[in-house]
Amino acid sequence: DADVTQTPRNRITKTGKRIMLECSQTKGHDRMYWYRQDPGLGLRLIYYSFDVKDINKGEISDGYSVSRQAQAKFSLSLESAIPNQTALYFCATSGQHGYGYTFGSGTRLTVV
Amino acid sequence: EDQVTQSPEALRLQEGESSSLNCSYTVSGLRGLFWYRQDPGKGPEFLFTLYSAGEEKEKERLKATLTKKESFLHITAPKPEDSATYLCAVQADSSGSARQLTFGSGTQLTVLP
Repeated sequence: DADVTQTPRNRITKTGKRIMLECSQTKGHDRMYWYRQDPGLGLRLIYYSFDVKDINKGEISDGYSVSRQAQAKFSLSLESAIPNQTALYFCATSGQHGYGYTFGSGTRLTVV
Repeated sequence: EDQVTQSPEALRLQEGESSSLNCSYTVSGLRGLFWYRQDPGKGPEFLFTLYSAGEEKEKERLKATLTKKESFLHITAPKPEDSATYLCAVQADSSGSARQLTFGSGTQLTVLP
C-alpha cells in the first residue's frame, strides 16, 4: 500500500457542487498538507495541519476548507466548486521539522 | 516574499547527453533546498535535500549542488527512464513553524533514445 493515499484519483463535477477530496497516510507523521498544482505555477499550499486540533490556512485557502479527522486522515472540501478550481491536488505528510515530505499520487479535479 | 525560479522550462536531450537544470531562489534564510522528481499522473518523489552552500549530493546519474543563490541538478549520461519533471523547492525561515515548501514550476526533461 502507498504511504499516502488520495481518493478519488479523478473527479469531474459541476459548478456550485460541494466536493470532498480525501487523504490518508501510514507514515505515522503528525504534519499533513494540501497543495494545488497548476501548469506553469508549481505547487501552492492550500491548508496544513500539525495535529487533529491544529488547522492553518496556506497561501491560497479561499474557497476551500479542511477537516483533520484523525492523525492519519486529512480531507479537503470545496464548498461550492468553480471552474478555476480545476487543478491537480496533492496531499502530503512530513516529519516533525517539516523534512521528509511524502506526497500522494494526486486527485485530478475538473469543474465544468 | 520567497521565490523559486527553474530553468529551462523544458529540456530535450539525446541519451547519453549530459546537462544541468537550474533552480535559482530568493529567500530570507534558507533552511533547506529540495529536489523532487514527478512522473506523469504521480505525486512528486523526493530526490535530495541540500542545507548549505557548497553541499553536494549524488544518486545514480544525478548530482545536486547548492550555492547561496542557486542549485543545479546535473544529469550525467541520461537514459530515457530519466524523463520526468524535476521540481525544486525551498523551505525558508519565513515559513515559521509551518515548515511549508515553496516550489518552482519545474523543468520537464525528455531523454530521447
